[in-house]
Amino acid sequence: DQQVKQNSPSLSVQEGRISILNCDYTNSMFDYFLWYKKYPAEGPTFLISISSIKDKNEDGRFTVFLNKSAKHLSLHIVPSQPGDSAVYFCAAFFTSGTYKYIFGTGTRLKVLA
Amino acid sequence: EAGVAQSPRYKIIEKRQSVAFWCNPISGHATLYWYQQILGQGPKLLIQFQNNGVVDDSQLPKDRFSAERLKGVDSTLKIQPAKLEDSAVYLCASSLPGVRTEAFFGQGTRLTVV
Repeated sequence: DQQVKQNSPSLSVQEGRISILNCDYTNSMFDYFLWYKKYPAEGPTFLISISSIKDKNEDGRFTVFLNKSAKHLSLHIVPSQPGDSAVYFCAAFFTSGTYKYIFGTGTRLKVLA
Repeated sequence: EAGVAQSPRYKIIEKRQSVAFWCNPISGHATLYWYQQILGQGPKLLIQFQNNGVVDDSQLPKDRFSAERLKGVDSTLKIQPAKLEDSAVYLCASSLPGVRTEAFFGQGTRLTVV
């Protein structure tokens, strides 16, 4: 049972344009969400997070939007740069009981110069 | 600040052999995670420690996988005996105690079972 889903395995975007990566989740108990970026042969690195009490969080070129009613979050990268080319994972966090991260399957972003 | 250290980076073993991975978390991080990432999938939590106690090991195949975290710092993950389907990247991560804190990952160990 995949509780966190990223339905687009890959995405290509022109440099300077907006990249939008999507993530859906099924469990309404998740109350904290994170995006990680992963380059080949490296571990995932934290990018941005959002609490369920917010609907938007911004950090430079990166903005995460959360739609709780739709159980959907998205990561916007504006403007996209070639160095953003990586695999992006969304993760959802349980904070009740044994808290832990549940990861999506990832979206490979390729920013074309 | 030093990051999460893992070793080895790569390991190739034959099926039915045993293998061990080592992780040293960021200093002061009480929570330590071991994840398995199979090619094309997201990281899957195998086991989570809070200090040296196990918080969650519900997805750890306990007939072949074991993990320990002695003294609440370093951790080892062992597979014995290995199967072909264990081929994956094994990621260690750590975080500060408490909720809503991001996990920091090591570079991972790529295991190939032949």
